[in-house]
Amino acid sequence: EPEVTQTPSHQVTQMGQEVILRCVPISNHLYFYWYRQILGQKVEFLVSFYNNEISEKSEIFDDQFSVERPDGSNFTLKIRSTKLEDSAMYFCASSQDQRNEQFFGPGTRLTVL
Amino acid sequence: GQQLNQSPQSMFIQEGEDVSMNCTSSSIFNTWLWYKQDPGEGPVLLIALYKAGELTSNGRLTAQFGITRKDSFLNISASIPSDVGIYFCALTRFAGNKLTFGGGTRVLVKP
Repeated sequence: EPEVTQTPSHQVTQMGQEVILRCVPISNHLYFYWYRQILGQKVEFLVSFYNNEISEKSEIFDDQFSVERPDGSNFTLKIRSTKLEDSAMYFCASSQDQRNEQFFGPGTRLTVL
Repeated sequence: GQQLNQSPQSMFIQEGEDVSMNCTSSSIFNTWLWYKQDPGEGPVLLIALYKAGELTSNGRLTAQFGITRKDSFLNISASIPSDVGIYFCALTRFAGNKLTFGGGTRVLVKP
């Protein structure tokens, strides 16, 4: 069964460094998303992406964040200058159509020291 | 602002018991999704609801979408140890729209 994959599974970085989190959405899906989950809290929306552009973003998704679909398969989230409070699980998700059933990847645990 | 409440926050189950959890929203949403999350993993989609009043089953799971489109419940029948985890309701309005997650119901096994 097709699934969303994410790499790396765990990323440790120093405050102020740039990180790129990678995702491969399900191949025939059209909509792509990033969410994050701080330990013990609920999942929060960051950004959605459709037709090669951002369609919606949250207040969390400030100028330090960017997304890109560099080719036909990958979808990346870049954090330019990480802060301690960026430590969280980051989930990529994708959906196909009007039904908006979103399928999540296993996540990348980002630890900022 | 919009409020989304999920209850209970946690519950203990004994193998074989039926359990129920629910989600209420102050706003109308067109699609309600129920997810399960195991520790250190991503949410896994269990059931999707699209029509007001809709009752949908997936194995031992049953979920219903309220008539007002502002609430839903999820039932697990004859619980087993692997039902342990966190269950989230997640709401959305249209294709490509963000999911708004509830706070989750943590299901634990009775000692």
